[in-house]
Amino acid sequence: EDQVTQSPEALRLQEGESSSLNCSYTVSGLRGLFWYRQDPGKGPEFLFTLYSAGEEKEKERLKATLTKKESFLHITAPKPEDSATYLCAVLGGSNYKLTFGKGTLLTVNP
Amino acid sequence: SQTIHQWPATLVQPVGSPLSLECTVEGTSNPNLYWYRQAAGRGLQLLFYSVGIGQISSEVPQNLSASRPQDRQFILSSKKLLLSDSGFYLCAWSMATVSNQPQHFGDGTRLSIL
Repeated sequence: EDQVTQSPEALRLQEGESSSLNCSYTVSGLRGLFWYRQDPGKGPEFLFTLYSAGEEKEKERLKATLTKKESFLHITAPKPEDSATYLCAVLGGSNYKLTFGKGTLLTVNP
Repeated sequence: SQTIHQWPATLVQPVGSPLSLECTVEGTSNPNLYWYRQAAGRGLQLLFYSVGIGQISSEVPQNLSASRPQDRQFILSSKKLLLSDSGFYLCAWSMATVSNQPQHFGDGTRLSIL
């Protein structure tokens, strides 16, 4: 069974203080690893897809990287508007099921 | 561009009452469609997915059912709600042409059972 573990569960940063979120996974035949951002009371918003080890994607202050066992979401010089829950999910095997982690709640203080 | 709509945004229902949540997608044809439930402290759990009209696959045994009466419409139903059905229900879609495309979510329905 596919498994995703995200750490830390919660992270509090000062504005401008860079950090990383971790997503460890076990999957049978990785077909994609996905990062989402979720604001309170809203559905997850798609950020990145990573398909193979060594791949990197960037968007504004966010950069996602992938190895064979984990993915990192690096946040450079975060702003208060980056505060949200960040979710990681994997797609494996031959079906359509995304397996999600429980998320990391990021709070950026001004 | 593609958009996904879910309604209602919030719903309060008594135990034993029926349920119908609706989801529609615009701007694409023949999408894959999904229903998820998100409970506090737990990850998103896939309930149903559909790769075409009338084709529904269930991931979790429960008293919920799903239907796809039209290409871009997905409905989640129950005949009798249980207290354990409370949660945040999310509909999502993905491109059907390539199976590893990202899923895109609606803004969800917050369901409370009294």
